[in-house]
Amino acid sequence: DTAVSQTPKYLVTQMGNDKSIKCEQNLGHDTMYWYKQDSKKFLKIMFSYNNKELIINETVPNRFSPKSPDKAHLNLHINSLELGDSAVYFCASSQYEGTEAFFGQGTRLTVV
Amino acid sequence: AQSVTQLGSHVSVSEGALVLLRCNYSSSVPPYLFWYVQYPNQGLQLLLKYTSAATLVKGINGFEAEFKKSETSFHLTKPSAHMSDAAEYFCAVRGPNDMRFGAGTRLTVKP
Repeated sequence: DTAVSQTPKYLVTQMGNDKSIKCEQNLGHDTMYWYKQDSKKFLKIMFSYNNKELIINETVPNRFSPKSPDKAHLNLHINSLELGDSAVYFCASSQYEGTEAFFGQGTRLTVV
Repeated sequence: AQSVTQLGSHVSVSEGALVLLRCNYSSSVPPYLFWYVQYPNQGLQLLLKYTSAATLVKGINGFEAEFKKSETSFHLTKPSAHMSDAAEYFCAVRGPNDMRFGAGTRLTVKP
C-alpha cells in the first residue's frame, strides 16, 4: 500500500491550459503539503493544510488553488499554465510537529 | 524563522571513502532536523531524524548524523561510500506547520 500517492506521475500540457494533480495519503496524518521542486532540485513549500484548513500559502500565484475535500486528500489545481510552472510537484503528509514528512513520488509537469 | 543551509552543492567521493555532507541550521527553539535522500526520478525518502533524544542519530543504509548545538550543525556521514549512495541529499528542519529544506547536495561516487 502506497502511503502518499499522487496522480498523474507525468503531465505534459500546453500553455494556457488548466490541470489538476491529485494526492491521497492513507497514513491518517492531519497535515498535508504541496512542494515545488525546480530544475536545480530546490524544494519550496507552496501550501500546508492541517485538518482541511489552509495554514501556509507561500506567495504562490493565484493561478494555483489547493483543495482539501477531507484530511486524506489534497489536490492542486493550476489555471492558465505558464512555461515557468514546469517543475516536479510533490505532495507530502505528516502527523504533528516534530515528526517527519512522507512524500509522494512526484508529478513532473511540463508546459510546452 | 527556522532554516537550514547545506554547504556544498556537489560532493564527489571514491567508492569506499568517507562521505561527509554538511548542514547548518538556524532556529530560535530546539530544532527537529532531518536528512532525506532523493534518487533520480523518485520522491524523498527519510534517512534519519533528530528529535532531541540522542545527539548521534543512526539512519538507514549506514548513514548517521550528529547534532552539535554549539556549532548549529547536523552533518551527515557514512564511513564507506557505495555506488548505490549516489543521489541528492537534503537536510530539513521542521517548523510548526511545514518542513523547510536546504538546497540539496548531489553526491557522486566514483568507482
